[in-house]
Amino acid sequence: QKEVEQDPGPLSVPEGAIVSLNCTYSNSAFQYFMWYRQYSRKGPELLMYTYSSGNKEDGRFTAQVDKSSKYISLFIRDSQPSDSATYLCAMWTGGGNKLTFGTGTQLKVEL
Amino acid sequence: DTAVSQTPKYLVTQMGNDKSIKCEQNLGHDTMYWYKQDSKKFLKIMFSYNNKELIINETVPNRFSPKSPDKAHLNLHINSLELGDSAVYFCASSQESAHAYEQYFGPGTRLTVT
Repeated sequence: QKEVEQDPGPLSVPEGAIVSLNCTYSNSAFQYFMWYRQYSRKGPELLMYTYSSGNKEDGRFTAQVDKSSKYISLFIRDSQPSDSATYLCAMWTGGGNKLTFGTGTQLKVEL
Repeated sequence: DTAVSQTPKYLVTQMGNDKSIKCEQNLGHDTMYWYKQDSKKFLKIMFSYNNKELIINETVPNRFSPKSPDKAHLNLHINSLELGDSAVYFCASSQESAHAYEQYFGPGTRLTVT
């Protein structure tokens, strides 16, 4: 079993829909939870990060972390075709340790 | 201004050859990373350097050797290339190892071994 599990999709939604992307994890030592967005043939870029449990909002994006369930989510409101990308969750225990990435969910927002 | 740059962008080579990928960051960051992304998009850390010192060395074949001449540069040399080395290799940087959650990635080097 992988440390971080993420449904690879693809997920196809109409423009304007609310999108929910999720990851589960097994390592209770993870403290930082990140969402990276990767457009086709580009490098990942950090969208948001959350420390410990709770919610964080940035424009149309909301990140949620539930450490008790070992479950994180990214919500995208009013989705746009420009949101079409692969979304990678990533987690970090802190210190000099590595990030652990999920496999990514491919999202397509259609007109 | 490109923050993290990699050269070359594409690399096609035959099995058994030796090749290098170069990475440079102009963000003033102290920590740099090499990742391998396979065909299923799984991104896996290979190495990390903090101020020219190796701090993460994952289980990769010793045919892969990183080198950091200064904190703005991190190169990856691969000896005796194999078919399974075909992947996209990303360089990344963060302000310091304590800010590893905020990494800036380069555009990637797509390596194809034939």
